Amino acid sequence: GIQVEQSPPDLILQEGANSTLRCNFSDSVNNLQWFHQNPWGQLINLFYIPSGTKQNGRLSATTVATERYSLLYISSSQTTDSGVYFCAGGSQGNLIFGKGTKLSVKP
Amino acid sequence: SAVISQKPSRDICQRGTSLTIQCQVDSQVTMMFWYRQQPGQSLTLIATANQGSEATYESGFVIDKFPISRPNLTFSTLTVSNMSPEDSSIYLCSVGEDEKLFFGSGTQLSVL
Repeated sequence: GIQVEQSPPDLILQEGANSTLRCNFSDSVNNLQWFHQNPWGQLINLFYIPSGTKQNGRLSATTVATERYSLLYISSSQTTDSGVYFCAGGSQGNLIFGKGTKLSVKP
Repeated sequence: SAVISQKPSRDICQRGTSLTIQCQVDSQVTMMFWYRQQPGQSLTLIATANQGSEATYESGFVIDKFPISRPNLTFSTLTVSNMSPEDSSIYLCSVGEDEKLFFGSGTQLSVL
């Protein structure tokens, strides 16, 4: 099956800093999504991005499908950005999740 | 996106008992799934809940342990049967809409 690798596993930022999270896939996927799990456990869908670039406020994501990776950019980080960021790929009916990047934003 | 209500939000259960988790969606959805998140781990798909037919289970998950019902397009239940401490996890209901996946708030299960 598809392997999903995320890096870095942990990240500590000072409020206001920018960061880039990476997701590599072992094979091509036709569905790729990014999620944020907040410290209370709620999972929020950030992006559906099988290819190309999308932006939503301070967050943007880019997927280079031919090279099987995706990047999530967080600009001007805030303490509310803390939590775990997961990428997941595959088909909508069977998404394989990476192990996540745990982000802590310090005030 | 659909609003997904899941209950209970948490429970503490005794070994050998069963717990049924309910998932209610505020609109009709075709695709509904159940995921498990073990402590400090990522998410793993348990099964796809199919309306009007048996659920489709992923490798490592069986119907006797995780029976699933899906009587209509807005509701599903997952039962964790004959529980052991290894079943302590967060169980999450999710729905697919427009290629995206959305999650309920989860059920945190602790088995003593």
